[in-house]
Amino acid sequence: EAGVAQSPRYKIIEKRQSVAFWCNPISGHATLYWYQQILGQGPKLLIQFQNNGVVDDSQLPKDRFSAERLKGVDSTLKIQPAKLEDSAVYLCASRTTGKDGYTFGSGTRLTVV
Amino acid sequence: AQSVTQPDIHITVSEGASLELRCNYSYGATPYLFWYVQSPGQGLQLLLKYFSGDTLVQGIKGFEAEFKRSQSSFNLRKPSVHWSDAAEYFCAVGPANQAGTALIFGKGTTLSVSS
Repeated sequence: EAGVAQSPRYKIIEKRQSVAFWCNPISGHATLYWYQQILGQGPKLLIQFQNNGVVDDSQLPKDRFSAERLKGVDSTLKIQPAKLEDSAVYLCASRTTGKDGYTFGSGTRLTVV
Repeated sequence: AQSVTQPDIHITVSEGASLELRCNYSYGATPYLFWYVQSPGQGLQLLLKYFSGDTLVQGIKGFEAEFKRSQSSFNLRKPSVHWSDAAEYFCAVGPANQAGTALIFGKGTTLSVSS
């Protein structure tokens, strides 16, 4: 089966600019996650969707980050305006029901200068 | 608080030697446990997972892990390390009774392999 697709792979922007990331999960996976992985740390959950509804966005900095999952399939994560501390890898993962693991995409590496 | 601790930030092992990466967790519910590996510039690849049953689980690439409930540990082992195993390893925990809930990750252990 095809994996979790993410784009772009890399992005360099200046602080205060905006940026958007895209994720296409594995077909049929109802649950989608966005994680932020800062260099030297483990991934941290930003937001979790179940179909097109938000399950957990308690760690999403809502003053600058937003995410949506239209039609319960693809998802976009946006940062506006970006700060230097947003430099990180943004990972998308999806999961179906049952005792399956979580499948991660390759991530988008964001550098804010 | 729910957390995962990987005590070793960086480990260096000689090629062919055995490896053990430590993972301790604090979790209020029955846990699902995972080990992921991440090569530079790559996403996370699942090595193995524990849900229930036999506490010794086998994974890909010759890795295994043992769940010890009394010690709240899920250590990763490999009997003979190859140079290609150099990467970052993450332990993660999720709840067994809440399907879909997000994983909590440790900070990772970087493995270097010397020749």
